[in-house]
Amino acid sequence: EPEVTQTPSHQVTQMGQEVILRCVPISNHLYFYWYRQILGQKVEFLVSFYNNEISEKSEIFDDQFSVERPDGSNFTLKIRSTKLEDSAMYFCASSEVGGHYNEQFFGPGTRLTVL
Amino acid sequence: GIQVEQSPPDLILQEGANSTLRCNFSDSVNNLQWFHQNPWGQLINLFYIPSGTKQNGRLSATTVATERYSLLYISSSQTTDSGVYFCAVERKRNNNDMRFGAGTRLTVKP
Repeated sequence: EPEVTQTPSHQVTQMGQEVILRCVPISNHLYFYWYRQILGQKVEFLVSFYNNEISEKSEIFDDQFSVERPDGSNFTLKIRSTKLEDSAMYFCASSEVGGHYNEQFFGPGTRLTVL
Repeated sequence: GIQVEQSPPDLILQEGANSTLRCNFSDSVNNLQWFHQNPWGQLINLFYIPSGTKQNGRLSATTVATERYSLLYISSSQTTDSGVYFCAVERKRNNNDMRFGAGTRLTVKP
């Protein structure tokens, strides 16, 4: 069964460093998403991406964050200068369509630890 | 934005017991999904259920969209059912962002 994959599973970085989190969505899906979950809290929407541009973003997704689909398979989240409060689990998701019948499939997550 | 409330926040059961988890939401939705977050932090899709009833083994879910709630039933619970159960909804405005509830933490004791 097709699934969303994410790499790395765990990343440790120093405050102020740039990190890139990688995702491979399900191959025939057109919508891509990033969510994050700070330890012990609820999952929060960051950004959605369709047709090579951001379609929606939350107030969390500030100028420190960017997303890209550099080729036909990968979808990346970049954090330019990490802060301690960026430590969280980051989930990528994809869906075949948007709006109605928009079942989202989540990857296993990348646990980011900022020291 | 849309509010998603889950109850109870915590639930402790003996193995073999049944349980019902509830999700209330404050606006009309395109999409509602139930997830199980396992001890490794992975979000496992349980149901995509914007309306109606579905069953998958010991689990079933019902969404009454007109009354803005969904229920997840777990029957004959097992220790492997332990974890956090999240409800997530997408508001009926085609904006594609899922809003999660705070979750129900289920502990099944042997």
